[in-house]
Amino acid sequence: GNSVTQMEGPVTLSEEAFLTINCTYTATGYPSLFWYVQYPGEGLQLLLKATKADDKGSNKGFEATYRKETTSFHLEKGSVQVSDSAVYFCALTTNAGNNRKLIWGLGTSLAVNP
Amino acid sequence: GAGVSQSPSNKVTEKGKDVELRCDPISGHTALYWYRQSLGQGLEFLIYFQGNSAPDKSGLPSDRFSAERTGGSVSTLTIQRTQQEDSAVYLCASSLGLAGGSYNEQFFGPGTRLTVL
Repeated sequence: GNSVTQMEGPVTLSEEAFLTINCTYTATGYPSLFWYVQYPGEGLQLLLKATKADDKGSNKGFEATYRKETTSFHLEKGSVQVSDSAVYFCALTTNAGNNRKLIWGLGTSLAVNP
Repeated sequence: GAGVSQSPSNKVTEKGKDVELRCDPISGHTALYWYRQSLGQGLEFLIYFQGNSAPDKSGLPSDRFSAERTGGSVSTLTIQRTQQEDSAVYLCASSLGLAGGSYNEQFFGPGTRLTVL
């Protein structure tokens, strides 16, 4: 079946440190891949996406590249800020039919200290 | 414009009671999804609506869970005879559905936190 595995947290970094959160997936066909973010006290927001192999999604300084050969979609940011403290979820949808239900990783909590 | 709204934001109930959770999607969004976020289980898909039809109910955990959608808009998730393991945050998301082409971003509501005592 379809599944997403992401690194467990919590991750604690100092401001301006480099961030990597690993995400790998198992899926039939050619899924679309997403990173969602949940800031404290707020709802889930789409951070970035990639819909086909070798696509790079980017937003707010975050990047992730869809790697079909390693079935990965690792999230990176070169210099984190305190305001990046949040829970990050990797997710996929299969592109069969109209149902775009999201299959989720367990989430990785990130705390950035000043 | 208005985003996805959910009510109530918090619900505390006693084991065995029925609860109804409401979702108001973004106007014009034909696809609607319910998810559950619980400790240890992460985020789980529950049910998908396209219009008023639910072609995928595969995530509903038991027959105590049901959902409906009326007028292609508001959706209600009902949990009968609640159990403590039903405690979770229930999230609703909507998207353009069939009109959105190959990629449809889902927009999430703030969720309903359900606590079953």
